[in-house]
Amino acid sequence: EPEVTQTPSHQVTQMGQEVILRCVPISNHLYFYWYRQILGQKVEFLVSFYNNEISEKSEIFDDQFSVERPDGSNFTLKIRSTKLEDSAMYFCASSGGGPDPDTQYFGPGTRLTVL
Amino acid sequence: RKEVEQDPGPFNVPEGATVAFNCTYSNSASQSFFWYRQDCRKEPKLLMSVYSSGNEDGRFTAQLNRASQYISLLIRDSKLSDSATYLCVVTRGYSTLTFGKGTMLLVSP
Repeated sequence: EPEVTQTPSHQVTQMGQEVILRCVPISNHLYFYWYRQILGQKVEFLVSFYNNEISEKSEIFDDQFSVERPDGSNFTLKIRSTKLEDSAMYFCASSGGGPDPDTQYFGPGTRLTVL
Repeated sequence: RKEVEQDPGPFNVPEGATVAFNCTYSNSASQSFFWYRQDCRKEPKLLMSVYSSGNEDGRFTAQLNRASQYISLLIRDSKLSDSATYLCVVTRGYSTLTFGKGTMLLVSP
């Protein structure tokens, strides 16, 4: 069964450093998303991406965040200057293909720890 | 008012019990409704979509009441493996998912 994959599974970084989180969405999907979940809190939407551009973003997704689809398979989230409060689990998701186009499928997540 | 509200639980039930979770949502423009399941420190996984007519998948039954902006999930004959956090999720088509904080279920032997 096709699945969303994410790397790395765990990233530790120093405050102020840049990190890039990588995702490979399901191959026939057209819509891509990033969500985050701070420990003990709910899953929160960051950004959605369609047709090589951002289609929607939340107020969390400020200027320090960016997304890119550098090739036909990868979808990345860059955080330019990490803060302590960026520590969270970051989930990539994709949708828009097959018999259930509304369903978003999530990757296993990247746990980001900012020290 | 929170966009999606759920009782956080935990709901502690014995194996074989029937348990019901409820959820309310504030945005009347919401179009699609889901229950996701999340195990500890794992990704959300789709349990089932929710339709106005109600739908059933084995031991799981979901209902949607658009007039009351209310969604429910019923689990019959609970198994130990049902222990997880159940996330109520709403969306507007090909768009962002809005999650509730989840209801924790603990099924004991």
